[in-house]
Amino acid sequence: EVRLVESGGALVQPGRSLRLSCVTSGFTFDDFAMHWVRQAPGKGLEWVSSVTWNSSKKRYADSVKGRFTISRDNAKNSLFLQMNSLRPEDTAFYYCAKALGGAYFDSWGHGTLVTVSS
Amino acid sequence: EIVLTQSPGTLSVSPGERATLSCRASQTVTSNYLAWYQQRPGQPPRLLIYASSSRAAGVPDRFSGSGSGTDFTLTISRLEPEDFAVYYCQQYDISPFTFGPGTKVDIK
Repeated sequence: EVRLVESGGALVQPGRSLRLSCVTSGFTFDDFAMHWVRQAPGKGLEWVSSVTWNSSKKRYADSVKGRFTISRDNAKNSLFLQMNSLRPEDTAFYYCAKALGGAYFDSWGHGTLVTVSS
Repeated sequence: EIVLTQSPGTLSVSPGERATLSCRASQTVTSNYLAWYQQRPGQPPRLLIYASSSRAAGVPDRFSGSGSGTDFTLTISRLEPEDFAVYYCQQYDISPFTFGPGTKVDIK
C-alpha cells in the first residue's frame, strides 16, 4: 500500500521559517518525481513545487520562488520543503503528492497545516 | 501560465442523474495532459482521470473524461451518494501545473 505522511506544519509568525517532511512507503521512491501542492482552508488547490527522481530539476510556483526550497532523500524515501520568509498568504494545508506521467498525482498524503500569523 | 476555468461553480444534481462538468484552458493543453480529481470534505484529492480520458486505477466506469485542445469535460453518468464532492481539473502540460477553481457537486 502506498503511503505518504506529511509532518512539520505549525503556527509560525510572518517572516519565520519552517521545514515540512513527507515520509513515503509502499513504492520505489526514487522511480518517481514528487510534488508539493497546497490548499488554503476552504479554497482550491495550488501547485507549489516539484523535484525529479534524481533531484536534477526543481520547479516552483512564482508565489514561492526564492523563498521555498524542495529537496528529497532517496535513501530515506523522504521529501522536504524548506519554507523561508513565510507570509500570511502561505497559510494552507500542504500535501505531498507522487507524480505519474510527469505531473499528475496518483497518490496524496493527508496534508500538514501551516498557519502564518502574528 | 495556463489558466483553467471550471463551470459551473456549483452543480445541484439528484442521485442517479447525470452530471457534466466543464474545464476550459486559456491556451491549448498539448498531448491532452489534463487530469481530474475528486475531493471529499476533510480528505486529500483523489485522481479520477488522466490524459483527458484515461480512468485511474479503481475508478468506477460511471466517471468518464473527454476533450482536447482547450475544452475538457468530466461526466458522471449516474450519481451515487459518495460522488457529491468538489472536482478539480489540472493541466500538467506546462509548469506551473495549474488547477482549476473547482466545481462543487451537491445534492438537489
